[in-house]
Amino acid sequence: KQEVTQIPAALSVPEGENLVLNCSFTDSAIYNLQWFRQDPGKGLTSLLLIQSSQREQTSGRLNASLDKSSGRSTLYIAASQPGDSATYLCAAGANNLFFGTGTRLTVIP
Amino acid sequence: DAGVTQSPTHLIKTRGQHVTLRCSPISGHKSVSWYQQVLGQGPQFIFQYYEKEERGRGNFPDRFSARQFPNYSSELNVNALLLGDSALYLCASSLGLDVSPLHFGNGTRLTVT
Repeated sequence: KQEVTQIPAALSVPEGENLVLNCSFTDSAIYNLQWFRQDPGKGLTSLLLIQSSQREQTSGRLNASLDKSSGRSTLYIAASQPGDSATYLCAAGANNLFFGTGTRLTVIP
Repeated sequence: DAGVTQSPTHLIKTRGQHVTLRCSPISGHKSVSWYQQVLGQGPQFIFQYYEKEERGRGNFPDRFSARQFPNYSSELNVNALLLGDSALYLCASSLGLDVSPLHFGNGTRLTVT
């Protein structure tokens, strides 16, 4: 069974700082690795999807990488803003996604 | 275009009752999945339906059931509710199987008292 771990559980940074969120998974035979954002009490917003044949994806200030051999993915956020404050979840799999417990990010103005 | 819509947004039920949650996928999406998110945890997979057929089931008891209709909307039913069923129930849709990203609704917050 796929297990997904996210470290750290919580992170506070000053506005403008670049940061990296980490995600590790146990089964390297994954279809996709997807990063989501979740605001309190809300659903999930898809940020980036990396297919198993890809190494990274970029969208605006976000860059996600995938290293299947080491079972790791990272989400890089450049020039963080207070509006980036949310919980970030990574998930491995296809339509049956295995989620980590998330990293709660706070960007301090 | 409308995103994934779920109803109701909030629901309070008593132990032993049953509940029906509803989901409308993004237009053109044929796959619908259901997830349960307990406070402080990541979502857990319950069901996936594609073209009205069940394509996957997570580790949930038989009290949980679902179906998908010809218009691709879906219902999740939970019988004999337990306190532990209190959670945010999330519906997600995708164009097809496996390679397309999941798009989630805002969920239904179920509280069982």
